[in-house]
Amino acid sequence: DAGITQSPRHKVTETGTPVTLRCHQTENHRYMYWYRQDPGHGLRLIHYSYGVKDTDKGEVSDGYSVSRSKTEDFLLTLESATSSQTSVYFCAIGDVKDTQYFGPGTRLTVL
Amino acid sequence: DQQVKQNSPSLSVQEGRISILNCDYTNSMFDYFLWYKKYPAEGPTFLISISSIKDKNEDGRFTVFLNKSAKHLSLHIVPSQPGDSAVYFCAVYGTSYGKLTFGQGTILTVHP
Repeated sequence: DAGITQSPRHKVTETGTPVTLRCHQTENHRYMYWYRQDPGHGLRLIHYSYGVKDTDKGEVSDGYSVSRSKTEDFLLTLESATSSQTSVYFCAIGDVKDTQYFGPGTRLTVL
Repeated sequence: DQQVKQNSPSLSVQEGRISILNCDYTNSMFDYFLWYKKYPAEGPTFLISISSIKDKNEDGRFTVFLNKSAKHLSLHIVPSQPGDSAVYFCAVYGTSYGKLTFGQGTILTVHP
């Protein structure tokens, strides 16, 4: 295991409410990523971080924001959740960009 | 604009036979090609990779083939085992992009 946890593992929320997902690593890896997995789309990158306070957008970043105030934590926030954001969210970490280790995932349902 | 495509959503194979999973990509600038395996309710795990300067990489029962002229990547599993039943994602990495791009995934089912 790459020492990566996600919380919560499951969450049900209502449209319009804010939601924050947490990714925590104990490996001191430089890079951290947030993906979402949806049927027919595979894994799509939402945001990523290449260091504390250094983040950038991925291919599906609209409606999401991230923060990384410590090396070990990477937060994903949905400011106002929508039903289209119902998905399984995976955090990943790595020291080189081409090899990533994934967390167990968070299943988010927006009603 | 999908840069990586896995055109077979699912594949069913008998135990002991070969499983061949395919992946096509559009950009010749990719440097590394990877396969990830994912079981239900777990995160994807890295399986095997190949760099663009090679055409084959083998690791036990798993072999990845790269055909750069056809922009085609394949994963061979021989012999297939029921424990190989999972979703397999191919992924590509380009130094100029700095990110992994994943295919849609193929569900492999290996029947005893």
